[in-house]
Amino acid sequence: ELKVEQNPLFLSMQEGKNYTIYCNYSTTSDRLYWYRQDPGKSLESLFVLLSNGAVKQEGRLMASLDTKARLSTLHITAAVHDLSATYFCAVEDTSGSRLTFGEGTQLTVNP
Amino acid sequence: KAGVTQTPRYLIKTRGQQVTLSCSPISGHRSVSWYQQTPGQGLQFLFEYFSETQRNKGNFPGRFSGRQFSNSRSEMNVSTLELGDSALYLCASSLVWGSGTEAFFGQGTRLTVV
Repeated sequence: ELKVEQNPLFLSMQEGKNYTIYCNYSTTSDRLYWYRQDPGKSLESLFVLLSNGAVKQEGRLMASLDTKARLSTLHITAAVHDLSATYFCAVEDTSGSRLTFGEGTQLTVNP
Repeated sequence: KAGVTQTPRYLIKTRGQQVTLSCSPISGHRSVSWYQQTPGQGLQFLFEYFSETQRNKGNFPGRFSGRQFSNSRSEMNVSTLELGDSALYLCASSLVWGSGTEAFFGQGTRLTVV
């Protein structure tokens, strides 16, 4: 059974600082997704990572995938308050028709 | 273009009742999947449909069922509701699931069972 673990689960950081969220998964997959969720809202797609070594960047967020280590990272650069949200990683299973989500990282960026 | 539409947005039901939730995918998308989100269990996969066929099912009891119509719209049904079924139910659509195509989520239906 595929397991996906994120850490940290809670992250409080100051504006302007950098930090990394980690996503580990238990079985082979080369398709990993990052989503953002604001309170009471749905999931917004951030990144789709489809191969080993994939790196994608959008604004202050950068995601990478290391399929050999079964690890993805979401790096936050110079955080701003608007980035406050819960971030989920999700791994596509080998059947290709389901996502297994991590527990989510609740990020709070303080002024 | 229109996103994934879920109806209703909010529902309050009594234990023992049944409920049907609806999801209209993005035009042209043929894969629809359903997820349950609760504070305790997080996001859990319910099932996925492609071209009216259920291709994958999560570990939920038989009270949870679904179907997909020829226009790709999908419905999810929960019978004999229990308090623990209170959750946010999210529907996602994608062009063709399984090829790394992006899944887009609807706003969800928040179900409260009392």
